[in-house]
Amino acid sequence: GAGVSQSPRYKVAKRGQDVALRCDPISGHVSLFWYQQALGQGPEFLTYFQNEAQLDKSGLPSDRFFAERPEGSVSTLKIQRTQQEDSAVYLCASSLWGQGKQPQHFGDGTRLSIL
Amino acid sequence: AQTVTQSQPEMSVQEAETVTLSCTYDTSENNYYLFWYKQPPSRQMILVIRQEAYKQQNATENRFSVNFQKAAKSFSLKISDSQLGDTAMYFCAFISTSGTYKYIFGTGTRLKVLA
Repeated sequence: GAGVSQSPRYKVAKRGQDVALRCDPISGHVSLFWYQQALGQGPEFLTYFQNEAQLDKSGLPSDRFFAERPEGSVSTLKIQRTQQEDSAVYLCASSLWGQGKQPQHFGDGTRLSIL
Repeated sequence: AQTVTQSQPEMSVQEAETVTLSCTYDTSENNYYLFWYKQPPSRQMILVIRQEAYKQQNATENRFSVNFQKAAKSFSLKISDSQLGDTAMYFCAFISTSGTYKYIFGTGTRLKVLA
């Protein structure tokens, strides 16, 4: 596609429910990143994929967070047993090779609200 | 660990005037990349300008330019001839050339351009 696509745009869930957020990167982009953006803050890194390999998951806040990219294109971020502190905007970004020089292209994000 | 600081939570500027947004960072590395991103209410992060640390020349993109002071670890953004469409959150971001190439963002500056 022309840009990074994320769905859903908004998600409301009750505390304790599981949620799944989808990211469709720019076609051909090898690197994919997930970020969490709390209200009024800058995005914070969650995890990084190079093709289907998850090379860095150091930013995942707990073992309730799980991400996958099984075929090296679409990625899913799953949050189990959601809690109120999980409420945030989740941004996905992709880049051609992820070598720093090439900028990351961001999607519109998914705003997750936990009631 | 690298950190990025944006000390101006909010700024305003009259249309057609010039405004400068500040950013400082901390790193022990010699080679890295710095970025400014714009995030309008639509939430999509849009690349404004990019600077490579090994280049002494300040980057320029149309009305946007940076003042990169490597020794001082300062990376400010100057917007000339401000337009109403420049109203947005502006984030400064740092990428190391080693490791995951994840962005480290500042907390952002909310810029309002006044008619």
